[in-house]
Amino acid sequence: DAGITQSPRHKVTETGTPVTLRCHQTENHRYMYWYRQDPGHGLRLIHYSYGVKDTDKGEVSDGYSVSRSKTEDFLLTLESATSSQTSVYFCAISKGGSQPQHFGDGTRLSIL
Amino acid sequence: QQQVKQSPQSLIVQKGGISIINCAYENTAFDYFPWYQQFPGKGPALLIAIRPDVSEKKEGRFTISFNKSAKQFSLHIMDSQPGDSATYFCAASMGDDKIIFGKGTRLHILP
Repeated sequence: DAGITQSPRHKVTETGTPVTLRCHQTENHRYMYWYRQDPGHGLRLIHYSYGVKDTDKGEVSDGYSVSRSKTEDFLLTLESATSSQTSVYFCAISKGGSQPQHFGDGTRLSIL
Repeated sequence: QQQVKQSPQSLIVQKGGISIINCAYENTAFDYFPWYQQFPGKGPALLIAIRPDVSEKKEGRFTISFNKSAKQFSLHIMDSQPGDSATYFCAASMGDDKIIFGKGTRLHILP
């Protein structure tokens, strides 16, 4: 398995609180991605990074921010969590181009 | 159009049967079509992928059939086994470092 670690694996929090999810890779891949997975919607891209401090928005970026200060770490932050952000969040890594993406095992986030 | 349309949403197949999942796309710039398999509690994992210069790719019991003119591709699982029960996602990419996923098919193989 690709060396991807997501933390925490599970989190329950309240509306309005800030939340940060972490993705750590040991593969030295250039590209890192954050997705959310919801029933009936499949996997939707939130943000992605193509290098240290280089990030771009995906399909559902509103309400989320990201940071990448090191090659191995990609952080996803919900500044003020809302119930609509209850979801399973997946991090993925890739060498770029039309290369496979490798996924972590996800973070299940519940916002009450 | 950036969408990849996947069908069916769910599928039940008898053990030993053939499972078929279909996908369609609009954007002819797509040049890479992977399929991912996801088990409960796990992230999606690459199963098999194809590029539009070939019409078929086979890996073990898994085959992708690709119809460029119809802008359709499908996954066939031969001799389906209970261990194949999972959610399957088709996807497409145009080499811009992003992958567009279908909405997934929940496959259940009856023992």
